[in-house]
Formats: sequence, structure tokens, C-alpha cells
Amino acid sequence: DIQMTQSPSSVSASVGDRVTITCRASQAISSSLAWYQQKPGKAPKLLIYGATNLQSGVPSRFSGSESGTDFTLTINNLQPEDFATYSCQQANSFPLTFGGGTRVEIK
Amino acid sequence: EVQLVQSGAEVKKPGQSLKISCKGSGYDFPNYWIVWVRQVPGKGLEWMGLISPSDSNIIYSPSFQGQVTLSADKSINTAYLQWDTLKASDTAIYFCARSPMKFFDYWGQGTLVTVSS
Repeated sequence: DIQMTQSPSSVSASVGDRVTITCRASQAISSSLAWYQQKPGKAPKLLIYGATNLQSGVPSRFSGSESGTDFTLTINNLQPEDFATYSCQQANSFPLTFGGGTRVEIK
Repeated sequence: EVQLVQSGAEVKKPGQSLKISCKGSGYDFPNYWIVWVRQVPGKGLEWMGLISPSDSNIIYSPSFQGQVTLSADKSINTAYLQWDTLKASDTAIYFCARSPMKFFDYWGQGTLVTVSS
């Protein structure tokens, strides 16, 4: 199975900050990575697929990048509605696997 | 508008059976895989498996193989997740989602399953 190691597990930030979250895959997954946002009591929401493609309707302050087996989600100009938990997911091979999640909290 | 609507919360006793549902609308239901994802409250997301509603082809996560059964009825645009014998450790929120290419673009609202004696 492909392991997805996500860091940090939590981050405290202020409105207007830039936040970066990283996922490292245990083996090569090409660009087959998605990022999700989840708020308490709600279903996850797709933000980015294919490592860098912004899902329709998602604000452009969200972006994804990749370098080998390292993948990064960047949130620029953090907004109040962005405080949530973010998870990565590899879409390269079965079984599909998620990272452990990163909670973005208000500083 | 694409929607996935799941059945309501369930409270069951250990050893009982259960089948929860996920009804799709607003898109061509047979042409997209449906996945199921488990989330124990306060924990991360776990992929359980996926099913093709067009031909009921199924791929299970090894962690859930033999523990649950996926099925689908394309005539009513509905996918199902079933347990024959529930355990307390099955207590979780279960999400269905549409899967165009092994990622998940639309999600159901989740079904809370509580298993307690």
C-alpha cells in the first residue's frame, strides 16, 4: 500500500497568512494526488486534483504543487472560512489512501 | 446540480445487520464510480472500496474486504453499503462520493452508524 505522510498535523495561523501543508508519498504516484477540505460535521470538499488542478468553484488562493513524491497545498491570504481540516489522497493505485489530515486553527 | 443523498443515522446492536444507501441525481449515475469512505469521529478518512453502477464491478480495500458488501441499483440511481454482522468498532460516519478518476468530486452528507449494546 502507498503511505501518505502529511505534515504538520496542525497549524495555527491568522487571517491573511500563507499556510503550506505537505504530503509525502511512500512511492512514486505520478501526479495522482487530491486535496480535500473538511469542516466539522460536514463532508469533505474536493479542492485540487491531479496535484495542481483547481476544482471548479474553489478560490484561486488555494494552489497545489509537486516535487517528486512531495506534494504541497498552499493557501494564500487565509480567510476565516478556511479554518478547517485538510487531507491529501493518492489516486494512483489501489488501495486508495489518505494522509492523516492537517487542522488549520485560528491563532 | 450533482447531488448524493444518503440515508439517515442508524443505531444498531452488535451482531445486527444494516444496509445504508446513497442516491445520486443530476448526472449520469451509471457512468461514475461510487466510493465509500469511513471516518471514525475525530479521526481521518479511510477508503473502503468502490463500485461501478453500470456493471457492479467492485474493488474493495483489503482492510474492508469481507467486512462489508457494496452494491448498486442503476435503475434507481442508488448505491448501498451493507454489513451482515455489525461490531462496536463499526461505529463511524460513512460517506459515499462520486469518483471520476480515483479522486472524489461530489460527496454525500454522511451517515452516522452507531453500534452499541
